[in-house]
Amino acid sequence: QVQLVQSGAEVKKPGASVKVSCKASGYTFTGYYMHWVRQAPGQGLEWMGRINPNSGGTNYAQKFQGRVTMTRDTSISTAYMELSRLRSDDTAVYYCARSLSYGDPTPADYWGQGTLVTVSS
Amino acid sequence: AIWMTQSPSLLSASTGDRVTISCRMSQGISSYLAWYQQKPGKAPELLIYAASTLQSGVPSRFSGSGSGTDFTLTISCLQSEDFATYYCQQYYSFPWTFGQGTKVEIK
Repeated sequence: QVQLVQSGAEVKKPGASVKVSCKASGYTFTGYYMHWVRQAPGQGLEWMGRINPNSGGTNYAQKFQGRVTMTRDTSISTAYMELSRLRSDDTAVYYCARSLSYGDPTPADYWGQGTLVTVSS
Repeated sequence: AIWMTQSPSLLSASTGDRVTISCRMSQGISSYLAWYQQKPGKAPELLIYAASTLQSGVPSRFSGSGSGTDFTLTISCLQSEDFATYYCQQYYSFPWTFGQGTKVEIK
């Protein structure tokens, strides 16, 4: 069965960076895009970007351009999202989510359990 | 970016009710719309994609309709496990955008 297992909660100081991992299993990792979506406490969902695990190509939301980097390690079927220059309003649960299929456009079907990132001095 | 207006933001209903949630887009997106259900402390779950296609394993009391700019999610007979927050999402173009959410609560 498809599973996306994310790394544990993080507490960071303003200005620092955080790197969240998402380990995939139960399917061919390189066959589906991986998206990253975040949700601030009590708020809605916000798309950050996606990575093509096959080529490493990325699409980022303009809001995060220059601060976010999405990478992958195909040898261990793991995707990563690194966010730099953290601010207090980056406090959120960060989710990885797999695309429903390889073709475009397609929504996300399987989601990780979420990783809480808290930014506080 | 494509923006959407999801309504209502809060919906009070009873078990067995038929409920409808709307999502209006700032521009046409053909049928590239999905609906998600989210329960507290959990990740969103895909209910419907391509505006009206039921995701595998989702009960048939959920249905979606619409195309272009106006979309609707209907729950035909509300069950206790359906009390949750629902989001519409367009995947027609980047950046993906989500509606503000509709919380369905017990009346």
